[in-house]
Amino acid sequence: EDQVTQSPEALRLQEGESSSLNCSYTVSGLRGLFWYRQDPGKGPEFLFTLYSAGEEKEKERLKATLTKKESFLHITAPKPEDSATYLCAVQARFNSGGSNYKLTFGKGTLLTVNP
Amino acid sequence: NAGVTQTPKFQVLKTGQSMTLQCAQDMNHEYMSWYRQDPGMGLRLIHYSVGAGITDQGEVPNGYNVSRSTTEDFPLRLLSAAPSQTSVYFCASSYWSRTGELFFGEGSRLTVL
Repeated sequence: EDQVTQSPEALRLQEGESSSLNCSYTVSGLRGLFWYRQDPGKGPEFLFTLYSAGEEKEKERLKATLTKKESFLHITAPKPEDSATYLCAVQARFNSGGSNYKLTFGKGTLLTVNP
Repeated sequence: NAGVTQTPKFQVLKTGQSMTLQCAQDMNHEYMSWYRQDPGMGLRLIHYSVGAGITDQGEVPNGYNVSRSTTEDFPLRLLSAAPSQTSVYFCASSYWSRTGELFFGEGSRLTVL
């Protein structure tokens, strides 16, 4: 069974204090790993796709990296507006031998950035 | 573009009642899906559709029905609501069934008493 574990569950930072969120996974036939941001009362918003170990993607203060067993979301000099829940998801085949794919989501990391 | 639109945003039902959560997208996306999000759990896939006229079950389909008569609409029907179906429901779409880059609606919060 595909599993995605995110840590920590919650992280509180001061503005400008850099840190990283972790997403570890076990999946058969990883097709891709995805990061989403979710604000309170809203739906998740897509951030990054990573397909292979060693790949990196950047967007403003966020950088996502991927190894064979985990992904990190690095946040450099965060601002209060970066406060949100960050979700990680892995994509694999839904049924063995099937042609459809499914996303398995982690429980998320709640990031709070204080001014 | 409005993106993915869900209605209603909030709903309270009594056990045994039925209702339909509406989802519409205006991006001509091929793939549409329904997830539920519960405290302490990740998003879980209920049903999905890879095109008009085609639907399939996700991880937690029991108690729910879907149909896809048009590209734009993908309603989720609760047949006989149970307290275990109290949750926040999200509709999501993408241009291709094999991408994980989903566009989500803002969610529908359902309480079953």
